[in-house]
Amino acid sequence: GENVEQHPSTLSVQEGDSAVIKCTYSDSASNYFPWYKQELGKRPQLIIDIRSNVGEKKDQRIAVTLNKTAKHFSLHITETQPEDSAVYFCAAYSGAGSYQLTFGKGTKLSVIP
Amino acid sequence: KAGVTQTPRYLIKTRGQQVTLSCSPISGHRSVSWYQQTPGQGLQFLFEYFSETQRNKGNFPGRFSGRQFSNSRSEMNVSTLELGDSALYLCASSLGTRAQYFGPGTRLTVT
Repeated sequence: GENVEQHPSTLSVQEGDSAVIKCTYSDSASNYFPWYKQELGKRPQLIIDIRSNVGEKKDQRIAVTLNKTAKHFSLHITETQPEDSAVYFCAAYSGAGSYQLTFGKGTKLSVIP
Repeated sequence: KAGVTQTPRYLIKTRGQQVTLSCSPISGHRSVSWYQQTPGQGLQFLFEYFSETQRNKGNFPGRFSGRQFSNSRSEMNVSTLELGDSALYLCASSLGTRAQYFGPGTRLTVT
C-alpha cells in the first residue's frame, strides 16, 4: 500500500519568514495530494491540493509543488503569521480502486512573533 | 452548505463495551471516510463508503465496522472496546472528486 513520509516533524520560524514542509510517497499510481491544517482542538481543514498532472499550485501565501519523478511534494508558506501555527498534514490519494487517503505523520509549525 | 457533522462529540466507555458513532456528510456528498487520530499514529484510514457500499478498509481488526445509509449518513461501530481504542474519530465526506472535508470528530475515551 501507499506510504507517506513527512519532514520535519516540528518547525519553528520567525514571523515573516518562509516555512517549507516536505513529503515523499511510495505509490507511483497516486494522483492527488492534499494538504490539511489542524489547529489545536479543531478538525483538519483542507488548505490546498494538487493533482498529478500539475507541477505547482499557488493560493496567496501558500504554494504546493509536486515532483512525480522523485515522488515528493512540498508545502511552502511565505510571510508566515502567528495564525499559521498549527499541525500540517500531507496526504496522497492512491490510484483507481483504492479510494483511500494516506496521511503523513504531521508537522507542528510554530510561528514566533 | 452545512459542514460535516458528527455525534456525539465526546464519549466515555469502559473496556468490553461497544460504541456507535455517527457522521452526516455535506449535502450532496456520497462518499464518507472514517479515520482514527492518535498522537502517536497520526491519521489512520478505517474505511470508505460510497452509495452504501464499503469500497475500502484499512488495517484495523474486525471489531471496527461501519455502514452507510441511503441518505449518505454513516455510522461506525467498535465492539469489545480496548484501552487502545481511545482516540479522536474523524469522518470526512467527498463528492468523489477526492477533496475530503472533515467533521469535528468524536473524542472516545475508554477506561
